[in-house]
Amino acid sequence: QSALTQPASVSGSPGQSITISCTETSSAVGSYNLVSWYQQHPGKAPKLMIYEDSKRPSGVSDRFSGSKSGDTASLTISGLQAEDEADYYCCTYAGSWVFGGGTKLTAL
Amino acid sequence: QVQLQEAGPGLVKSSQTLSLTCSVSGASISSGVYYWSWIRRHPGKGLEWIGYILYSGSTYYNPSLRSRVTISVDTSKNQFSLELSSVTAADTAVYYCARAMRKHFDQWGQGTLVTVSS
Repeated sequence: QSALTQPASVSGSPGQSITISCTETSSAVGSYNLVSWYQQHPGKAPKLMIYEDSKRPSGVSDRFSGSKSGDTASLTISGLQAEDEADYYCCTYAGSWVFGGGTKLTAL
Repeated sequence: QVQLQEAGPGLVKSSQTLSLTCSVSGASISSGVYYWSWIRRHPGKGLEWIGYILYSGSTYYNPSLRSRVTISVDTSKNQFSLELSSVTAADTAVYYCARAMRKHFDQWGQGTLVTVSS
């Protein structure tokens, strides 16, 4: 069973770039599970921002990008805007879906 | 445009069964390529995947909830449903239905808050 670890919170000033990490721990050596990222504003449904580690759905700003190196996936938001303030979750599928604990992004 | 909408009681008594339905519009559950899922978010906490069902009726549940969860599908109504038995206060959460395509969730319902009362 995989587990995903995210920082509880990150912050940045408007215009800056921030990165949220998501580290996968698994009993399986050499797992290559694809990661997706979701944005959730208070009281709203989660929104898919990145899938298959680095692909961006149609309609999602190109300020959002994803990458993965080894067991750590990352979501980078460039040119931070006030509207980016939200909770962000990483997710992976390893036989069943597992979500990270979520990261609260604060735009200072 | 694909839309998912949850419906069901917002208040359930402890030890009873929570029942929710997700109505899908703009896409057919019978299309066969999607995993129709339930996910929840406990107050102040993160997301937890509950389980999914395919149009064929095949299901797969989160091992931590498997003994209490049943997900069913009604293709004639383009709906799928969740039943969670023997609920406790720990099951109080916002429940979302979602569509998974391959290994990610591309469409979500708005969510419905279910409170378990004693």
